[in-house]
Amino acid sequence: DADVTQTPRNRITKTGKRIMLECSQTKGHDRMYWYRQDPGLGLRLIYYSFDVKDINKGEISDGYSVSRQAQAKFSLSLESAIPNQTALYFCATSDSAQETQYFGPGTRLLVL
Amino acid sequence: RKEVEQDPGPFNVPEGATVAFNCTYSNSASQSFFWYRQDCRKEPKLLMSVYSSGNEDGRFTAQLNRASQYISLLIRDSKLSDSATYLCVVNMNTGFQKLVFGTGTRLLVSP
Repeated sequence: DADVTQTPRNRITKTGKRIMLECSQTKGHDRMYWYRQDPGLGLRLIYYSFDVKDINKGEISDGYSVSRQAQAKFSLSLESAIPNQTALYFCATSDSAQETQYFGPGTRLLVL
Repeated sequence: RKEVEQDPGPFNVPEGATVAFNCTYSNSASQSFFWYRQDCRKEPKLLMSVYSSGNEDGRFTAQLNRASQYISLLIRDSKLSDSATYLCVVNMNTGFQKLVFGTGTRLLVSP
């Protein structure tokens, strides 16, 4: 079984809809991250969390919110989706003692 | 100037060739450097960390040049399975684990 899972893997939605992307991990890591990847722009950090009570904005947090329901779960919400949020979204985890980040398989989101 | 810059490629090489990628970074205070590999439509995976003294893992060698602020990745005896995008990743050392990802260099190895 994968250590970092994301659901859904693919999603098509319409402008203005609320959508939630979920991430779960079994690695026991305390740190979790949400990134988006766009062609030619690389991975950009949306939000990160160092533990359940710690949530921080990344470089492109506008239009997004997150919830850290438990150490193993970190959800990303788009309150009102817009077409330029069409992207590949990755969740990642890391241990506070190491820098290596482990990524989930990604969620491909299309906003029409 | 971008924080991390890479040549997007693609680099087209035949099997068995040696190929090298460079990556430049803007923050001279950066302390940690990595190469990740990303296959098409898949998640990035750590290929190797880059240490000050350089490091080697089989056919892969990573080097760091702090004076010129670049890191490199050398792949010897290229295999078809090496075809992927290679992401240069830098920890900007801003007080937390902020990794900045380059846009990637695409490698295509042909028979």
